[in-house]
Amino acid sequence: SSELTQDPAVSVALGQTVRITCQGDSLRKYYATWYQQKPGQAPALVIYGKNNRPSGIPDRFSGSRSGDTASLTITGAQAEDEADYYCNSRETTGNFPWVFGGGTQLTVL
Amino acid sequence: QEQLVESGGRVVQPGGSLRLSCAASGFTFSDAGMHWVRQAPGKGLDWVTFIRYDGTDKYYADSVQGRFTVSRDNSKNTLFLQMKSLRLEDTAVYYCAKDQGEYFDSSGYSYNWFAPWGQGTLVTVSS
Repeated sequence: SSELTQDPAVSVALGQTVRITCQGDSLRKYYATWYQQKPGQAPALVIYGKNNRPSGIPDRFSGSRSGDTASLTITGAQAEDEADYYCNSRETTGNFPWVFGGGTQLTVL
Repeated sequence: QEQLVESGGRVVQPGGSLRLSCAASGFTFSDAGMHWVRQAPGKGLDWVTFIRYDGTDKYYADSVQGRFTVSRDNSKNTLFLQMKSLRLEDTAVYYCAKDQGEYFDSSGYSYNWFAPWGQGTLVTVSS
């Protein structure tokens, strides 16, 4: 399959832990990269590689993988984490080498 | 710091053409592969095209193959996207992004990421 599948929407209570998942065959060979996008803004890198955060990303964000599924976990979600989250990976099949998941809208209650 | 600034977006009629630009600063542009990614209104991110640091390799999404052409001028630190035969479904914010390269960890898994991203430029295809 040349797709990455994400749940369209997830919600979490303030201060609680939430996991956003991304499923696809390519994730058996490539780590997912995670981007956060707030309304009216460009995407911003959140997690890359096994579990790497760029400078400025709080350590409540973490990444993991199991089989064909990658996860972005936010431990102690804050109001400012409310955003759309996209996974991205290199692609192992098809005619184009990069693919994005459909995105997950995170609501912090 | 590394920065990308897109320009060139505007309203264009179906079947028309448009060229987008992406000006890079704060890094050695001639060493970096570059992407264009688009986002239709209210929709998700859609990878469009990639060009290798020296322009020798280019990849395109099926949806734009044969209609869009990516190029770069390393002497001017600028990336371009030439769009032809534009369709209503090409309406989107177009972002350029720097490719950070491909890496492998000790377990043999590969990873790659895009950073930074520009602020985007809006292309509207409408009659």
